[in-house]
Amino acid sequence: GNSVTQMEGPVTLSEEAFLTINCTYTATGYPSLFWYVQYPGEGLQLLLKATKADDKGSNKGFEATYRKETTSFHLEKGSVQVSDSAVYFCALSDRNDYKLSFGAGTTVTVRA
Amino acid sequence: NAGVTQTPKFQVLKTGQSMTLQCAQDMNHEYMSWYRQDPGMGLRLIHYSVGAGITDQGEVPNGYNVSRSTTEDFPLRLLSAAPSQTSVYFCASSADRAQPQHFGDGTRLSIL
Repeated sequence: GNSVTQMEGPVTLSEEAFLTINCTYTATGYPSLFWYVQYPGEGLQLLLKATKADDKGSNKGFEATYRKETTSFHLEKGSVQVSDSAVYFCALSDRNDYKLSFGAGTTVTVRA
Repeated sequence: NAGVTQTPKFQVLKTGQSMTLQCAQDMNHEYMSWYRQDPGMGLRLIHYSVGAGITDQGEVPNGYNVSRSTTEDFPLRLLSAAPSQTSVYFCASSADRAQPQHFGDGTRLSIL
């Protein structure tokens, strides 16, 4: 079956530091890949997505590249802000059905 | 600009009580789903629907029922609440299986 493994947290950074959250997946076929973000007390919001190999998703300074050869979709941001403090979820969607498979989530805290 | 609306936001139940969590979307999305979020486990799919009148089980369906009589609404029923069902519940919808899912703000449910 499909599964997503992401870097365990929590991660604590200083403002303007570089952030990387690792995500690897197992899937049959060619899934779509997503990063969702959950701010405190809120639901999940789509941060970025990639639907095929070598696609790069980007939004709000975050980037992730769909790497089929390493089955990875690592999230990066070059200079984080306090407002980036949240829980980040990597997820995949199987093209053959509707189901989203989520990683366990990584809590990121950015200190001023 | 409502999107996906979940009610209630918070609920406390006693073991054995029944309850319905409401979910409504105003985007005319065919696909809707329910997830539960537990610490360290990410989101797990409970039930999903690919259109009015069609529902199917997800990863953790036991103890929950759903129905989809209209495109807009997808209620989740707990027939006899158990402490193991204490969790945060999220409803999501999307236009089709290739599109990202839109999430509601969640219902925090405690079973005593």
